[in-house]
Amino acid sequence: QSALTQPRSVSGSPGQSVTISCTGTSTDIGGHNYVSWYQQHPGKAPKLMIYDVTKRPSGVPDRFSGSKSGNTASLTISGLQAEDEADYYCCSYAGTLSYVFGSGTKVTVL
Amino acid sequence: QVQLQESGPGLVKPSETLSLTCTVSGYSISSGYYWAWIRQPPGEGLEWIGYIYSSGKSKSYYNSSLKSRLTISVDMSKNQFSLTLFSVTAADTAIYYCARYGTGSSTYLDYWGQGTLVTVSS
Repeated sequence: QSALTQPRSVSGSPGQSVTISCTGTSTDIGGHNYVSWYQQHPGKAPKLMIYDVTKRPSGVPDRFSGSKSGNTASLTISGLQAEDEADYYCCSYAGTLSYVFGSGTKVTVL
Repeated sequence: QVQLQESGPGLVKPSETLSLTCTVSGYSISSGYYWAWIRQPPGEGLEWIGYIYSSGKSKSYYNSSLKSRLTISVDMSKNQFSLTLFSVTAADTAIYYCARYGTGSSTYLDYWGQGTLVTVSS
């Protein structure tokens, strides 16, 4: 299956909000409420930030939120902070017991 | 605290077999859960490789693009699961991560290893 489509980069100033989109198809994002988001700092393993479209694991700041509409999922970071500068990947269940990641988005804090 | 640690050779020759092991601590793998492999070519994005359920018949599920060359297995006596990728090429050069699918929907990866770089080169 092809990677989900994410913008290559987004940026914002401290305190602002940024939204990262993740576009798939009716087979993956549109067909299931199983979208997760991962944050990856350089040289580090990915970290779970959002799961099941909107749920936030314990310990993840509430400025991170997720949503979905049709075949597109979104991750919003409100009140952007310097430590949020990282790469972000979406991931969706794609049916037939398989998963697909997004292409990745680099978030830059100006 | 669940911890995962990948191990295996850092260099594999083209056409040969890549074998990696993920050792799990802080949780008995025989108690269940789904255990996954993900890879990331240098400077590129994440690619889902496949996963295995570590209880009962231990059935595994693979990325269709790798299925013909891939085996994921589990060794409950060692609390480990493994990846074997046959006939590798330079395109298989990547950081390989092992991870665990979480509770509930079991559709998200909540614990990850630190990753291990595998280079395919003669």
